[in-house]
Amino acid sequence: AQSVSQHNHHVILSEAASLELGCNYSYGGTVNLFWYVQYPGQHLQLLLKYFSGDPLVKGIKGFEAEFIKSKFSFNLRKPSVQWSDTAEYFCAVNAPNTGNQFYFGTGTSLTVIP
Amino acid sequence: KAGVTQTPRYLIKTRGQQVTLSCSPISGHRSVSWYQQTPGQGLQFLFEYFSETQRNKGNFPGRFSGRQFSNSRSEMNVSTLELGDSALYLCASGTRTGPNEQFFGPGTRLTVL
Repeated sequence: AQSVSQHNHHVILSEAASLELGCNYSYGGTVNLFWYVQYPGQHLQLLLKYFSGDPLVKGIKGFEAEFIKSKFSFNLRKPSVQWSDTAEYFCAVNAPNTGNQFYFGTGTSLTVIP
Repeated sequence: KAGVTQTPRYLIKTRGQQVTLSCSPISGHRSVSWYQQTPGQGLQFLFEYFSETQRNKGNFPGRFSGRQFSNSRSEMNVSTLELGDSALYLCASGTRTGPNEQFFGPGTRLTVL
C-alpha cells in the first residue's frame, strides 16, 4: 500500500514569514497529487492539485507546490503567510492505475501569529 | 452545484449501539468515499463506492460497512460501537473518470460514550 508522510506535525509562524510544508509519498508509478486545507470549523477544501505537466502548480490564496518526481515529494509553499492561513493542511496522493484510492498524510497544523 | 452533504452533523451514542451515517454526493458524481478523521491520525480511508459497488476498502474491522444507492447516495454503518470509534467521519465524492479529484462534505462528528 502507498503511504504519505508529512514530516511537520505542528508549525508556528509569524505573519509575513515564508512557509514550506513537506510531503513525501511512497508510490513509484503515475500519481495525482493534492493539498487540502481544513480551516477551523470548516470542511476540507482543495488548495491545489497536480495531474501532469508543469511540476510547479499554483493554487488558491497564493499557495504553490512543486512536484519533484525523483524525490517523491510534493512540498507546499507560500512566500508570506497571513493569520487567516491558520489551519490544518493535508497532502494526498492518488494512483489512477492502481485502484484509484486516495491516501492522505496525517496533516500539518499551522498556526500563524499576528 | 450543491456540495456534498452529510447527515446528521453530530451524533452521541453509547458503547454497543450502532449508527448509520448518510452522504449525498455532488450531483453527477458516482464515487463516494468515506474517511475517519482523528487527531494525530489524519484521514484513514474506510471504503469507496462507485455505481453501487464497493471498489476499495481500507483496513477497518467488519463492524464498519457501507452501501450506495442507485441515486449515488451512500450510507455508512458502524455496529457495536466502541469508545475508539469517536471521530469525525468524512464523505467525499468524485467522478472517478479522467483526472480524479475528491470533494469533501462537512463531516459527521460521532461521540461514543
